Amino acid sequence: DARVTQTPRDKVTEMGQEVTMRCQPILGHNTVFWYRQTMKQGLELLAYFRNRAPLDDSGMPKDRFSAEMPDATLATLKIQPSEPRDSAVYFCASGLAGASTDTQYFGPGTRLTVL
Amino acid sequence: GDSVTQMEGPVTLSEEAFLTINCTYTATGYPSLFWYVQYPGEGLQLLLKATKADDKGSNKGFEATYRKETTSFHLEKGSVQVSDSAVYFCALTPMFSGGYNKLIFGAGTRLAVHP
Repeated sequence: DARVTQTPRDKVTEMGQEVTMRCQPILGHNTVFWYRQTMKQGLELLAYFRNRAPLDDSGMPKDRFSAEMPDATLATLKIQPSEPRDSAVYFCASGLAGASTDTQYFGPGTRLTVL
Repeated sequence: GDSVTQMEGPVTLSEEAFLTINCTYTATGYPSLFWYVQYPGEGLQLLLKATKADDKGSNKGFEATYRKETTSFHLEKGSVQVSDSAVYFCALTPMFSGGYNKLIFGAGTRLAVHP
């Protein structure tokens, strides 16, 4: 049963610290998405990768957030420095662009708390 | 731009009651339409989808019909269970999405089913 995995599941950190979240997409998927979920804003798309190349990161605060795909099996989202307003659940999703099914498969999320 | 509007929650029902969660969309052409479900503490899971007008998506007793004339994709279930308690998200993928399956989500509707 192929699944998207994310680590860590929970992260508590202090303001100013660097946070790195990791995602392993489903093997063979060529698209990766990062979302942020908060009570206030709902689900927001932060970044999108296709074939490891970033195609859309317009939803991401550029000054402190960065997203990369070092290889096809790993996507990372970094926040440096972190701020309390970054507290949220961060989801990674993967999919297969161009396929007849345009479904995204979500990971379990990383719950980030910045104190 | 493209958008999704769904009814505000929470929706509170007794077990075995009939469920309707309204969803309407604004989009150019023929988007693909989805319902995702998020159980407490988990990521989003695809519940059902429809890719063209008059298609009916169904899964686990839930169903929704793609209505182009009313730009709607209402979710229904004839008899809800306590285990259906979750947050339900209506979403679309734009018809002209640049070749990738970008999802646009509604705000989510929380469903609480009590015995």
